[in-house]
Amino acid sequence: DTGVSQDPRHKITKRGQNVTFRCDPISEHNRLYWYRQTLGQGPEFLTYFQNEAQLEKSRLLSDRFSAERPKGSFSTLEIQRTEQGDSAMYLCASSSRPGGTVKLYYNEQFFGPGTRLTVL
Amino acid sequence: DQQVKQNSPSLSVQEGRISILNCDYTNSMFDYFLWYKKYPAEGPTFLISISSIKDKNEDGRFTVFLNKSAKHLSLHIVPSQPGDSAVYFCAASAPRAGNMLTFGGGTRLMVKP
Repeated sequence: DTGVSQDPRHKITKRGQNVTFRCDPISEHNRLYWYRQTLGQGPEFLTYFQNEAQLEKSRLLSDRFSAERPKGSFSTLEIQRTEQGDSAMYLCASSSRPGGTVKLYYNEQFFGPGTRLTVL
Repeated sequence: DQQVKQNSPSLSVQEGRISILNCDYTNSMFDYFLWYKKYPAEGPTFLISISSIKDKNEDGRFTVFLNKSAKHLSLHIVPSQPGDSAVYFCAASAPRAGNMLTFGGGTRLMVKP
C-alpha cells in the first residue's frame, strides 16, 4: 500500500507527558500537512511542509507543539507537557505541488488514518 | 470564525434516492473546493473537487455544484447507496502558500436500505 501512513494509531498518555507521532507521506509527494480533529468538528490545519521546510504554522500550534520533516521525507509531530485539551485525532496529509509529474487534482490532499491521542 | 459551514449535522435518505449535502463559505478568496468522505477510524478520503472557474463538476454518481455569488456549494449523490453512509466534509482552499484546507464541521449521511 503506497498511501499515507501514521504511527501510532492510538496513544494514551498522562497529562504532562511528551508524545511524538510519525507520518510517512506518499513517496513522490513534496508537501506534507498536519491537521487536528476534535469530536464533531472538521479537521483544523496545524502546519505545512514543502520538502524539509516548514512554511506555515497555525496559531493553534502553541509552543508546546513542534513538527519536523528531516530530509523532506517522513515527519514527526511532538507535543510536550500534554494537556487534556490536546486530546484529538491528529491527521497527516500529503500532496504534490500543482503541476508536478503525478496526475492529481489541484490541491488534492491524501490523508492518513490518523493518530488518536487521549490525555488522561 | 467559521469560514466554511455545513449547517446540517445529519441527513437520512432512502437507498436509490438523491442525497444533497450543502456547504456555505464566507471567504471570497477561496478558489478551490473539495468534498471528503470519512468513515469511523479512517482518515478523510477525497471524493470530488471544483475550481471557482466552474459551476459544476461530475464524477459518476457524484456531482458538485458551485454558486459563487451565493458562496454556496452542494454535493449531489445519485443514486444513494448504503455504502455511502459516512461523514462528508466540505473543504476550501485559497491561493496562498501551502494551500491549506479549511474544513466545514461535516454532515453525517445515513442511507437506509
